Amino acid sequence: SYVLTQPPSVSVAPGQTARITCGGNNIGSKSVHWYQQKPGQAPVLVVYDDSDRPSGIPERFSGSNSGNTATLTISRVEAGDEADYYCQVWDSSSDLGVFGGGTKLTVL
Amino acid sequence: QITLKESGPTLVKPTQTLTLTCTFSGFSLSTSGVGVGWIRQPPGKALEWLALIYWDDDKRYSPSLKSRLTITKDTSKNQVVLTMTNMDPVDTATYYCALTKGATNYFDYWGQGTLVTVSS
Repeated sequence: SYVLTQPPSVSVAPGQTARITCGGNNIGSKSVHWYQQKPGQAPVLVVYDDSDRPSGIPERFSGSNSGNTATLTISRVEAGDEADYYCQVWDSSSDLGVFGGGTKLTVL
Repeated sequence: QITLKESGPTLVKPTQTLTLTCTFSGFSLSTSGVGVGWIRQPPGKALEWLALIYWDDDKRYSPSLKSRLTITKDTSKNQVVLTMTNMDPVDTATYYCALTKGATNYFDYWGQGTLVTVSS
């Protein structure tokens, strides 16, 4: 089955840029989606189809995808961005969904 | 306004069968392209994709759990039901249902989740 690999943690100072990666074999050929989950809450979609944002998601959240790595970029990080972030793809070979292991973003 | 809400037992015994219901509003599961999925999250751990049912009754299951899972829909009641057999303490988790209506199967609306504990 398809495996997505995320770093367990990323730390960034307020106002700086956070980059969270999601690795997978030829992930650039797939559509990658990103979710934000704060403690005790359900996940929220923040980026879909590599780089599109749902309505209501700040422009500070952006995504890219190429080769074997997809990246969620959060610009001008705020304290409220502290959360767990998960990538997700649809594995067309198995016709199933897959989540990454999640990355905890800490705002210093 | 789209909402989803999970319901079911909070505590089940090992070997029992878990039945969870997702009741939704604001969309129809008879609309082309729409699907409802189930995702779970053990305490302190990552999200795990479980199952998905589409408007046309097409179904997908996680290969590691396929033998234990059944997903069904009742369009008239706006409900999706997930059953999981032979529950084990490792199945203790928050179970979420979520809506997908994109061709690439992302979940754009989620329920609040329901915590299910497996213990004797």
